[in-house]
Amino acid sequence: EDKVVQSPLSLVVHEGDTVTLNCSYEVTNFRSLLWYKQEKKAPTFLFMLTSSGIEKKSGRLSSILDKKELFSILNITATQTGDSAVYLCAQTGANNLFFGTGTRLTVIP
Amino acid sequence: DVKVTQSSRYLVKRTGEKVFLECVQDMDHENMFWYRQDPGLGLRLIYFSYDVKMKEKGDIPEGYSVSREKKERFSLILESASTNQTSMYLCASSWPEGTGWVRSYNEQFFGPGTRLTVL
Repeated sequence: EDKVVQSPLSLVVHEGDTVTLNCSYEVTNFRSLLWYKQEKKAPTFLFMLTSSGIEKKSGRLSSILDKKELFSILNITATQTGDSAVYLCAQTGANNLFFGTGTRLTVIP
Repeated sequence: DVKVTQSSRYLVKRTGEKVFLECVQDMDHENMFWYRQDPGLGLRLIYFSYDVKMKEKGDIPEGYSVSREKKERFSLILESASTNQTSMYLCASSWPEGTGWVRSYNEQFFGPGTRLTVL
């Protein structure tokens, strides 16, 4: 059984659209929820969320955590072709870490 | 800037060969990790290390071993490579959240990956 589930698996949008990516996780020994962007090779870190309801923001990207409902969302506004990537979320616990399989976002001009 | 480097970008080996994948980080990080990434399965943790000579199994340690003789270097070893170990291997490092036995998986910095093909 997957511990971290991301949806949708794949998404195709036009430039300028706003997208919302979802990540649901398990509660066992929850410590943090991480978001990464993976373009061609190595994932690069986007956000770490530990507290519920506090939005983290970086340019057109923002993310929020809901510890009651056990999910996080990653929003990207005014998407650009450079946002095309696989977005990974990961849950960390006291002694473990689990990645989701990712959402592949394709932004077409 | 944090830099994590991996010894090879592409590697082709034969079944039964011993394979060494090297990872070096230059930020004095205590934590280092080895993952493999396969389509449909995402990133899966093989082993991690939170200090020199310390290691712990991740989710899929079978068929792998690791070595951490120096803080900056974490090696992944395939004692006898098999075709089902064909994969992209990613190394990562991070600072610890606390000290001593407290381990953390905060922001991780990834290397560029090694695509290993076992024939």
